Amino acid sequence: SYVLTQPPSVSVAPGQTARITCGGNNIDSKSVHWYRQKPGQAPVVVVYADSDRPSGIPERFSGSNSGNTATLTISRVEAGDEADFYCQVWDPISDHVIFGGGTKLTVL
Amino acid sequence: EVQLLESGGGLVQPGGSLRLSCAASGFTFNDYAMSWVRQAPGKGLEWVSTLTGSGDGTFYADSVKGRFTISRDNSKNTLYLQMNTLSAEDTAVYYCAKGMCGSSACLGGHSDYWGQGTLVTVSS
Repeated sequence: SYVLTQPPSVSVAPGQTARITCGGNNIDSKSVHWYRQKPGQAPVVVVYADSDRPSGIPERFSGSNSGNTATLTISRVEAGDEADFYCQVWDPISDHVIFGGGTKLTVL
Repeated sequence: EVQLLESGGGLVQPGGSLRLSCAASGFTFNDYAMSWVRQAPGKGLEWVSTLTGSGDGTFYADSVKGRFTISRDNSKNTLYLQMNTLSAEDTAVYYCAKGMCGSSACLGGHSDYWGQGTLVTVSS
């Protein structure tokens, strides 16, 4: 079945830009969604349909999707951005929702 | 305000059964597909099952197919997950999540609201 690959961890200093990748075969043919999950909390969507942002999510969060890699970019990272981030797609071949393994964002 | 409130979790012995419920409010329940997503302790998110708004389309992860049954009562605005033949690998927090529309045409969409989850522990 379809597999999404994320780096286990990404570290960035405050004020810098964090980029979290999500790899999948021809992922640019799919609609990619990104969720943020803080400890003890439910996931919250931060980017959907590759690059759209829900209301209430800062403009610092953006997404892109090209070739075999989708990317969540967080600009001007703040300490409060520390969380686990997951990418997600729908695989129409298997009729399954697929999540990436998750990436822990650490703000140094 | 959209609210999703899961219940029914708890401790169950291996081989046992449990039924989870998710009470929804703040939106027209039967207009939206609903999903269950679980998270084992210290692990990532794992999709479990999705049900279309009318209930005519059901989708299951391979790991639960044949053991779990998703259903909904649109008159009660409630989503269910009947879990049978449970094993330790099913131990997780189970979240219900709201889809972006009701039909299978938008299964590729995201989940815009999630409940706070209910913990299921399978242990003897």
